This record gives sequence, structure tokens and C-alpha cells, in this order.
Amino acid sequence: EAGVVQSPRYKIIEKKQPVAFWCNPISGHNTLYWYRQNLGQGPELLIRYENEEAVDDSQLPKDRFSAERLKGVDSTLKIQPAELGDSAVYLCASSLVLAGDSYEQYFGPGTRLTVT
Amino acid sequence: QKEVEQNSGPLSVPEGAIASLNCTYSDRVSQSFFWYRQYSGKSPELIMSIYSNGDKEDGRFTAQLNKASQYVSLLIRDSQPSDSATYLCAVPFSNYQLIWGAGTKLIIKP
Repeated sequence: EAGVVQSPRYKIIEKKQPVAFWCNPISGHNTLYWYRQNLGQGPELLIRYENEEAVDDSQLPKDRFSAERLKGVDSTLKIQPAELGDSAVYLCASSLVLAGDSYEQYFGPGTRLTVT
Repeated sequence: QKEVEQNSGPLSVPEGAIASLNCTYSDRVSQSFFWYRQYSGKSPELIMSIYSNGDKEDGRFTAQLNKASQYVSLLIRDSQPSDSATYLCAVPFSNYQLIWGAGTKLIIKP
């Protein structure tokens, strides 16, 4: 079974430029997460989708970040314009969440973003 | 306030010894707990899930849960250099949100 796929793996951009990250979750998983992870810290949730619906985006900086999950499968996270403080690893994870089921999440390889 | 706390380490353990990693959490409602391993430059990898009080064993790994004291631990027996990584504790709170600890860096010395 294929795991979570993310692209690109690495991205270097200048500040004020736009950037986009793509994620394809594990087949059959209905829930998709975007996290940001800074060095020495745990992942920080940016947004969670259940199927096509964004059910938790309270941590997403909406002035510059946007996300979409068309057709409830692939997802794209965009930053426009990027700032120096956005340099981090952006992780996508997916899980199968049913009523009363576990919350095990499986991660993609991540995208390491460097803003110069 | 939802909090998950881990000692950041590094925790240095001789090869072949038992490594003990601890995690405490602030919310009594949590029903399930997860341990992830993260190698440097890689993404977190799920290694253990535990849902009820007591011990759960999987190969060289044992997760221990004590809900009354609000802590969960991970024991690694016969530690190997390949176990050197950062171990993240994750606790789901309401609305399916995982709260993550900052992780404990484990170093296994040959």
C-alpha cells in the first residue's frame, strides 16, 4: 500500500514569493492534516480536512495561508506571500476516522521550505 | 489548556540497555495515546498506540499507560544504535485534535 505522498521535498524561495505544497493521502483515508514543524518542536496543526470539509483551521494564518482539498482526495497548501518565519518543514498526514475509532495518523515525507 | 510534556533530552543510553521515555498530559478525557519515532531529517513514524491502562508490548517496545497519574511511557529493550532518534508523544483531545509533545532525543551509545 502506498503511503502519503508529498511534493516537492525541498523548496527554496525568496521572501514575498508564493509557494505551494501538494499532498496525496493514503487511499481510503477520509481525514487529511497539514502540519508545520520547526526544529526541536513537535508538529503544529495548521488545518484538518474531513473529506472535502475543513473542520479545523483555527491555527492557519489566514492572511497568507490557504488550503484546498478538492474531491476529498489530494490537497494543496499555499503561502502567499512567504515570510522568513515560514521556513519550516510542512508535513501532510492522513487517517481513517470513524465514530469511536482511533486517530492514528500517517505522515508523508514532508516539504522542507527555506525562505531567504 | 491542553498540554503534553516530554523531557527534551538528550537521553543517552548504552547499547543493549533499556531506554525509558516519559510523557505527561493535562487532559483526563484522552482515551488513546501514540508514540512516534522521528529520525533526523525524516517525518514522524507511528510505532505504538495504546488505549487502555497497563502495558502493551510490540517486539522490543513496551508502552505503559497510567490514566490516573496522567502519564504514558515507552520502554525500548535491548537498545540498538538504530533506535537513536527523537520520540514524540501524541495525545488526542476532543474533536480529534492531536496534541504533540516536543519530543525526547534518544542517543544509543555503542
